[in-house]
Amino acid sequence: QITLKESGPTLVKPTQTLTLTCTFSGFSLSTTGVAVGWIRQPPGKALECLAVIYWNDDKRYSPSVESRLTISKDTPKDQVVLTMTNMDPVDSATYFCAHSDSGYFHDSFDFWGQGTTVTVSS
Amino acid sequence: DIQMTQSPSILSASVGDRVTITCRASQSISNWLAWYQQKPGKAPKLLVYRASTLESGVPSRFTGSASGTEFTLTITSLQPDDFATYYCQQYYSYSTFGQGTKVEIK
Repeated sequence: QITLKESGPTLVKPTQTLTLTCTFSGFSLSTTGVAVGWIRQPPGKALECLAVIYWNDDKRYSPSVESRLTISKDTPKDQVVLTMTNMDPVDSATYFCAHSDSGYFHDSFDFWGQGTTVTVSS
Repeated sequence: DIQMTQSPSILSASVGDRVTITCRASQSISNWLAWYQQKPGKAPKLLVYRASTLESGVPSRFTGSASGTEFTLTITSLQPDDFATYYCQQYYSYSTFGQGTKVEIK
């Protein structure tokens, strides 16, 4: 079965760079049509899709934070990494990674990790 | 950017009620719309994709429909397990989620 799990720091300081890793099993990111996305949710607020990476290494980013994001994949390790630079307290949120195979550049997410909570504070 | 306007933000209902949640897109998104259920402290769960296709394993009391840029999630007979927050997501042009609808006990 498909599982995903996020890992990374729980606390980062303002201006620092956040690096999160999504480790998954039950599928391969080398399979045509497969993608992994990062979605975040500030406390009590709505979901925001930050970035998506595809089996062919194409990437898409949220326009609102694109300049601060990098998404990459390590296919042999079954991992996807998200980096976000210049962290600010407003970036405090639960960060989820999720699987998609709903269509190239049309991503609904059918399997999700449990999420990891990141707090930005000095 | 495509905006998704979801309503209501809070819905009070009783077990057995028929419940309807609406999302309106700011432009045409064809049928690239999904619905998710989220419970406190948990990841969202995909209920419906392509506006009206039920995800495997989701009870048939959940139905999705579309009319132009207006999309609806209906729960035909609310069950205790259905009290949660529901989000729509357009995935026609990148991805945008609605602001959520909390279904609470009346």
